[in-house]
Amino acid sequence: GQQLNQSPQSMFIQEGEDVSMNCTSSSIFNTWLWYKQDPGEGPVLLIALYKAGELTSNGRLTAQFGITRKDSFLNISASIPSDVGIYFCAGPIIQGAQKLVFGQGTRLTINP
Amino acid sequence: DAGVIQSPRHEVTEMGQEVTLRCKPISGHDYLFWYRQTMMRGLELLIYFNNNVPIDDSGMPEDRFSAKMPNASFSTLKIQPSEPRDSAVYFCASSSAPTGHYEQFFGPGTRLTVL
Repeated sequence: GQQLNQSPQSMFIQEGEDVSMNCTSSSIFNTWLWYKQDPGEGPVLLIALYKAGELTSNGRLTAQFGITRKDSFLNISASIPSDVGIYFCAGPIIQGAQKLVFGQGTRLTINP
Repeated sequence: DAGVIQSPRHEVTEMGQEVTLRCKPISGHDYLFWYRQTMMRGLELLIYFNNNVPIDDSGMPEDRFSAKMPNASFSTLKIQPSEPRDSAVYFCASSSAPTGHYEQFFGPGTRLTVL
Protein backbone atom coordinates (compact mmCIF):
# COMPACT_ATOMS: atom_id res chain seq x y z
CA GLY A 1 0.00 0.00 0.00
CA GLN A 2 0.95 3.62 -0.11
CA GLN A 3 3.47 4.73 2.47
CA LEU A 4 4.81 8.10 3.51
CA ASN A 5 8.41 8.32 4.66
CA GLN A 6 9.41 11.24 6.84
CA SER A 7 12.93 12.51 7.32
CA PRO A 8 14.58 13.02 9.67
CA GLN A 9 12.97 10.81 12.30
CA SER A 10 14.18 13.14 15.04
CA MET A 11 15.86 16.52 15.33
CA PHE A 12 17.67 18.19 18.21
CA ILE A 13 18.17 21.89 17.67
CA GLN A 14 18.87 25.11 19.53
CA GLU A 15 16.15 27.66 20.08
CA GLY A 16 16.15 30.20 17.29
CA GLU A 17 17.36 27.82 14.60
CA ASP A 18 15.42 27.10 11.44
CA VAL A 19 14.01 23.59 10.89
CA SER A 20 13.48 21.64 7.70
CA MET A 21 11.79 18.28 7.33
CA ASN A 22 10.34 16.35 4.44
CA CYS A 23 7.90 13.64 3.48
CA THR A 24 8.26 11.39 0.46
CA SER A 25 6.24 8.73 -1.25
CA SER A 26 6.76 6.30 -4.10
CA SER A 27 3.24 7.18 -5.29
CA ILE A 28 1.77 10.45 -6.46
CA PHE A 29 -0.31 12.37 -3.94
CA ASN A 30 -2.72 15.14 -4.88
CA THR A 31 -3.01 16.43 -1.35
CA TRP A 32 -0.52 16.87 1.47
CA LEU A 33 -1.47 17.63 5.06
CA TRP A 34 0.91 18.56 7.86
CA TYR A 35 -0.04 17.95 11.49
CA LYS A 36 1.68 18.61 14.81
CA GLN A 37 1.16 16.50 17.91
CA ASP A 38 2.01 17.84 21.35
CA PRO A 39 2.72 15.33 24.14
CA GLY A 40 -0.51 13.85 25.47
CA GLU A 41 -2.66 15.51 22.81
CA GLY A 42 -4.13 14.71 19.43
CA PRO A 43 -2.61 15.83 16.13
CA VAL A 44 -3.48 19.39 15.12
CA LEU A 45 -3.70 20.38 11.47
CA LEU A 46 -1.08 22.98 10.52
CA ILE A 47 -1.20 23.31 6.75
CA ALA A 48 -3.04 21.71 3.82
CA LEU A 49 -1.59 21.69 0.29
CA TYR A 50 -3.62 20.92 -2.82
CA LYS A 51 -1.55 21.97 -5.83
CA ALA A 52 1.85 20.84 -7.09
CA GLY A 53 4.40 23.55 -6.46
CA GLU A 54 2.16 25.31 -3.94
CA LEU A 55 3.91 27.15 -1.11
CA THR A 56 1.76 27.95 1.91
CA SER A 57 2.66 29.69 5.16
CA ASN A 58 1.10 29.65 8.60
CA GLY A 59 3.03 32.06 10.79
CA ARG A 60 6.60 30.81 11.09
CA LEU A 61 5.68 27.59 9.29
CA THR A 62 5.98 27.17 5.55
CA ALA A 63 5.06 24.03 3.63
CA GLN A 64 5.62 23.18 -0.01
CA PHE A 65 3.95 20.68 -2.32
CA GLY A 66 6.74 19.13 -4.40
CA ILE A 67 6.44 19.51 -8.15
CA THR A 68 6.80 15.76 -8.68
CA ARG A 69 3.79 15.31 -6.36
CA LYS A 70 5.77 12.63 -4.54
CA ASP A 71 7.10 14.83 -1.77
CA SER A 72 6.35 17.73 0.54
CA PHE A 73 8.47 19.90 2.81
CA LEU A 74 7.84 21.72 6.07
CA ASN A 75 10.05 24.52 7.33
CA ILE A 76 9.91 26.27 10.68
CA SER A 77 11.76 29.53 11.03
CA ALA A 78 13.28 30.88 14.26
CA SER A 79 12.19 27.92 16.39
CA ILE A 80 10.79 28.52 19.88
CA PRO A 81 10.23 26.06 22.75
CA SER A 82 6.55 25.54 21.93
CA ASP A 83 7.53 24.09 18.54
CA VAL A 84 8.54 20.91 20.36
CA GLY A 85 6.44 17.94 19.31
CA ILE A 86 5.98 15.37 16.57
CA TYR A 87 5.23 16.54 13.05
CA PHE A 88 3.27 14.24 10.74
CA CYS A 89 2.59 14.42 7.05
CA ALA A 90 -0.53 12.77 5.67
CA GLY A 91 -2.32 12.26 2.40
CA PRO A 92 -5.36 10.48 0.98
CA ILE A 93 -4.77 6.82 0.18
CA ILE A 94 -7.24 7.03 -2.67
CA GLN A 95 -8.12 10.32 -4.28
CA GLY A 96 -11.73 11.08 -3.51
CA ALA A 97 -11.92 8.81 -0.45
CA GLN A 98 -11.51 10.31 3.02
CA LYS A 99 -9.03 7.67 4.20
CA LEU A 100 -5.62 9.18 5.09
CA VAL A 101 -2.21 7.58 5.40
CA PHE A 102 0.22 9.13 7.88
CA GLY A 103 3.99 9.25 7.93
CA GLN A 104 5.83 7.96 10.98
CA GLY A 105 6.56 11.47 12.18
CA THR A 106 9.53 13.75 12.84
CA ARG A 107 10.17 14.36 16.54
CA LEU A 108 11.49 17.87 17.21
CA THR A 109 13.38 18.65 20.42
CA ILE A 110 14.60 22.17 21.17
CA ASN A 111 17.36 23.10 23.59
CA PRO A 112 16.72 26.51 25.13
CA ASP B 1 -16.38 26.17 19.15
CA ALA B 2 -15.94 22.81 20.85
CA GLY B 3 -13.55 20.42 19.17
CA VAL B 4 -13.81 16.64 19.07
CA ILE B 5 -14.55 15.36 22.56
CA GLN B 6 -13.35 11.97 23.77
CA SER B 7 -13.93 10.13 27.01
CA PRO B 8 -12.42 8.84 29.11
CA ARG B 9 -8.97 10.44 28.66
CA HIS B 10 -7.33 7.55 30.47
CA GLU B 11 -8.51 3.99 31.00
CA VAL B 12 -6.77 1.25 32.90
CA THR B 13 -8.36 -2.17 32.85
CA GLU B 14 -7.54 -5.80 33.29
CA MET B 15 -7.21 -8.32 30.53
CA GLY B 16 -10.55 -9.81 29.60
CA GLN B 17 -12.61 -6.80 30.58
CA GLU B 18 -14.82 -4.88 28.18
CA VAL B 19 -13.68 -1.37 27.28
CA THR B 20 -15.84 1.34 25.71
CA LEU B 21 -14.36 4.51 24.29
CA ARG B 22 -16.60 7.44 23.43
CA CYS B 23 -16.44 10.25 20.93
CA LYS B 24 -18.47 13.34 20.15
CA PRO B 25 -17.51 14.80 16.75
CA ILE B 26 -17.53 18.46 15.85
CA SER B 27 -21.10 19.57 15.22
CA GLY B 28 -21.96 19.51 11.53
CA HIS B 29 -19.17 17.14 10.55
CA ASP B 30 -20.37 14.16 8.54
CA TYR B 31 -17.27 11.97 8.72
CA LEU B 32 -15.97 10.28 11.86
CA PHE B 33 -12.74 8.31 12.14
CA TRP B 34 -11.26 6.04 14.82
CA TYR B 35 -7.45 5.72 14.93
CA ARG B 36 -5.02 3.83 17.12
CA GLN B 37 -1.50 5.12 17.84
CA THR B 38 1.38 3.00 19.11
CA MET B 39 5.13 3.49 19.04
CA MET B 40 5.60 0.45 16.83
CA ARG B 41 2.87 1.06 14.25
CA GLY B 42 2.27 4.81 14.41
CA LEU B 43 -1.19 6.14 13.56
CA GLU B 44 -3.49 3.50 12.12
CA LEU B 45 -7.01 4.05 10.85
CA LEU B 46 -9.37 1.50 12.36
CA ILE B 47 -12.73 2.48 10.89
CA TYR B 48 -14.56 5.48 9.52
CA PHE B 49 -18.18 6.52 9.16
CA ASN B 50 -19.98 8.85 6.77
CA ASN B 51 -23.39 10.11 7.85
CA ASN B 52 -23.39 7.51 10.66
CA VAL B 53 -22.80 4.61 8.26
CA PRO B 54 -19.56 2.58 8.48
CA ILE B 55 -17.68 2.99 5.20
CA ASP B 56 -14.42 1.14 5.77
CA ASP B 57 -13.61 -1.11 8.71
CA SER B 58 -10.66 -2.87 7.12
CA GLY B 59 -8.36 -1.51 9.83
CA MET B 60 -10.25 -3.10 12.70
CA PRO B 61 -7.76 -5.64 14.04
CA GLU B 62 -10.16 -8.45 14.87
CA ASP B 63 -13.66 -9.32 15.98
CA ARG B 64 -12.93 -8.17 19.50
CA PHE B 65 -13.20 -4.62 18.19
CA SER B 66 -16.51 -3.05 17.23
CA ALA B 67 -17.62 0.51 16.53
CA LYS B 68 -21.02 2.12 16.35
CA MET B 69 -22.38 5.53 15.47
CA PRO B 70 -26.02 5.64 16.57
CA ASN B 71 -26.41 9.32 15.67
CA ALA B 72 -24.48 12.25 14.22
CA SER B 73 -23.13 13.39 17.57
CA PHE B 74 -21.92 10.17 19.17
CA SER B 75 -19.75 7.16 18.43
CA THR B 76 -18.31 4.33 20.48
CA LEU B 77 -15.39 1.97 20.01
CA LYS B 78 -15.70 -1.20 22.05
CA ILE B 79 -13.09 -3.86 22.79
CA GLN B 80 -14.38 -7.11 24.24
CA PRO B 81 -12.47 -8.90 25.64
CA SER B 82 -9.48 -6.58 25.99
CA GLU B 83 -5.90 -7.85 25.78
CA PRO B 84 -2.59 -6.27 26.84
CA ARG B 85 -1.63 -5.76 23.18
CA ASP B 86 -4.61 -3.41 22.82
CA SER B 87 -2.77 -0.88 25.00
CA ALA B 88 -2.44 2.27 22.89
CA VAL B 89 -3.78 5.77 22.45
CA TYR B 90 -7.08 5.80 20.58
CA PHE B 91 -8.06 8.93 18.68
CA CYS B 92 -11.34 10.00 17.23
CA ALA B 93 -11.33 12.53 14.39
CA SER B 94 -14.05 14.21 12.38
CA SER B 95 -14.28 16.13 9.14
CA SER B 96 -16.69 17.91 6.87
CA ALA B 97 -14.37 18.60 4.01
CA PRO B 98 -15.77 19.62 0.66
CA THR B 99 -15.10 17.43 -2.36
CA GLY B 100 -11.39 17.09 -2.95
CA HIS B 101 -10.45 18.19 0.56
CA TYR B 102 -9.33 15.92 3.39
CA GLU B 103 -8.77 17.93 6.54
CA GLN B 104 -9.51 15.89 9.67
CA PHE B 105 -9.72 17.26 13.20
CA PHE B 106 -8.58 15.07 16.07
CA GLY B 107 -9.75 14.72 19.64
CA PRO B 108 -7.34 14.58 22.59
CA GLY B 109 -7.31 10.78 22.62
CA THR B 110 -7.95 8.03 25.16
CA ARG B 111 -4.87 6.35 26.59
CA LEU B 112 -5.79 2.72 27.18
CA THR B 113 -3.72 0.42 29.37
CA VAL B 114 -4.70 -3.23 29.59
CA LEU B 115 -2.95 -5.07 32.40
